[in-house]
Order: sequence, then structure tokens, then C-alpha cells
Amino acid sequence: DGGITQSPKYLFRKEGQNVTLSCEQNLNHDAMYWYRQDPGQGLRLIYYSQIVNDFQKGDIAEGYSVSREKKESFPLTVTSAQKNPTAFYLCASSIFGQQYFGAGTRLSVL
Amino acid sequence: QKEVEQDPGPLSVPEGAIVSLNCTYSNSAFQYFMWYRQYSRKGPELLMYTYSSGNKEDGRFTAQVDKSSKYISLFIRDSQPSDSATYLCAMSHDSGGGADGLTFGKGTHLIIQP
Repeated sequence: DGGITQSPKYLFRKEGQNVTLSCEQNLNHDAMYWYRQDPGQGLRLIYYSQIVNDFQKGDIAEGYSVSREKKESFPLTVTSAQKNPTAFYLCASSIFGQQYFGAGTRLSVL
Repeated sequence: QKEVEQDPGPLSVPEGAIVSLNCTYSNSAFQYFMWYRQYSRKGPELLMYTYSSGNKEDGRFTAQVDKSSKYISLFIRDSQPSDSATYLCAMSHDSGGGADGLTFGKGTHLIIQP
């Protein structure tokens, strides 16, 4: 089955801890994105990557980091510098102008 | 002024009714317009993708774009309880899926009553 796989589905972070959210796609899409969704809010862009080994900050990149070592993978690290990390995180990839999303990871703070 | 405005609802209609969902925007550079459906605790699913002004129909769904008024709409005919979800509008100014990401509305929560 082709698609975007995000893991884990639920994640808990302790104070001062970095956590990494996984995003893998087998759609052969070049572009990948990370969004954050808060209750009653639209999606806000954290980081995006148009090509392997290159990525750009989105609107709310502070406290987050990414890597793009393989076309299929675009992991997001939520660092201890992100003071309000509780949210639903969505990964997407795009082709021909259309973005497709994974099922999301819900991150909570312990 | 926010770039994309969307009434959060909830919008509650009886089964079989025609549903109208809308977004307004301020950035005249937006050229590509999308509607996503998001069920609770799931990722958004792309429903409709349109370019510039005009109408596009896909089954029970019709998307309308009026660039002169900076207004887009999604119509759902013969609404079903399974259509109950949050509908997000999204837009971009380039054709690369939003090379720098899409701009989203906050979403409208739709409830179809059986």
C-alpha cells in the first residue's frame, strides 16, 4: 500500500527531553512537510523539504529540528526548547500541487 | 487580518440537505485552492483541488472559486452522516503543492443529523 506512515501514534515527553517523530513515505514524492495542529486551529507549517539534504523553516520552526537524509524519510525532533509541545503533528508529502497527509502523532507532556 | 477566514461552526444539518462551506482570504496571490476532510484524530484527506476561478465537480462535491471576491466554497449534495467531519480549506500561490507549504483555514466542524 502506498502512503505516508507516521509513528508513533501517541508520544509523551518529559521535561527537558527531546523526542523524535517519524515520517516515512513510499509515494516517491520529492517534497515533504511538517505541520502542527492545535485544537480549533488550522495547520501551521513547521518545516518543509523540497529535496534530499535540503530543508527550510516554516512559520513556527523555533524549538524544532528536522533532517532529510533519504527521500522517503523526514523525521521531526521536538527539542526541550519548545515550551508548548502538546499538539497533533501532521506530516505531508506532495506531487503535482497536491499535498497528502499521514495519520498524525499526538504529543503530550508528562 | 488573518490570511484565511473560515467559520468554525459547528454546522448541523439534517441528512439529505445541501451543505455549503466557505472560506474568504486576503492574499490575491493565491492561485490553487483545496478542500480537505478531517475526521476526529485522523490526518486530513484531500477532497478537491482547483486552480484559479471556476467550478469543479466530483460526485456529490462541488468546489467553487471566485478570485474577484476572494471567496471559495464547497457544496455537498445529498449529505450523509458519514460526511460529519471537520472541513479545512487550504490555498497556495504556486503549483508545487505550496513549495513553502499551504495556508489553511481553521476548519468548519460539520454534523449531519440522521
